[in-house]
Amino acid sequence: GENVEQHPSTLSVQEGDSAVIKCTYSDSASNYFPWYKQELGKGPQLIIDIRSNVGEKKDQRIAVTLNKTAKHFSLHITETQPEDSAVYFCAALQNSWGKLQFGAGTQVVVTP
Amino acid sequence: DTEVTQTPKHLVMGMTNKKSLKCEQHMGHRAMYWYKQKAKKPPELMFVYSYEKLSINESVPSRFSPECPNSSLLNLHLHALQPEDSALYLCASSQVAGSQETQYFGPGTRLLVL
Repeated sequence: GENVEQHPSTLSVQEGDSAVIKCTYSDSASNYFPWYKQELGKGPQLIIDIRSNVGEKKDQRIAVTLNKTAKHFSLHITETQPEDSAVYFCAALQNSWGKLQFGAGTQVVVTP
Repeated sequence: DTEVTQTPKHLVMGMTNKKSLKCEQHMGHRAMYWYKQKAKKPPELMFVYSYEKLSINESVPSRFSPECPNSSLLNLHLHALQPEDSALYLCASSQVAGSQETQYFGPGTRLLVL
């Protein structure tokens, strides 16, 4: 089955700096890669996603890049703000039945 | 609107109790999911319903019994749970259970089994 590795497990950044989270996946058949943000006591919220026919996608301060050859994808957050503090999960869609395989998560702390 | 609602928000139950978790979406999605999330861990898939039929059961113990009465509702019936079943139970939905479909999560039900 699919295996997704996510690094780093924790990330502390100064407000205004950039944050980068990296994920690798094992199944070359995976074709959809969402990123979720989870705040304490809440459910995961989709922040951006990328499909396998695209190499990069941007939405304001958030961008995701996908390298299918190397089987890795990354989340980039620019101009970080304290409200960006949360746990971020990458995921890969393993099969046509909708099974999402999540990475272990990255705790991001943005200090003012 | 991408809202998935779940009730109750919190639930405390004894090991002999029977309770149910409820999930609802009105986005016209035909795929619905149950996930279990332990503290500081990622969500783990339990069940997938596609067009109101169970399509994936990730070897979940029979003390968890899912039900999909219609395309908008998803229930999870709980019976004779163990303390290790304490977790955040998340419901999600997507247009269909196909590839490249975005899954939208609800806020979860935090379950404590005593």
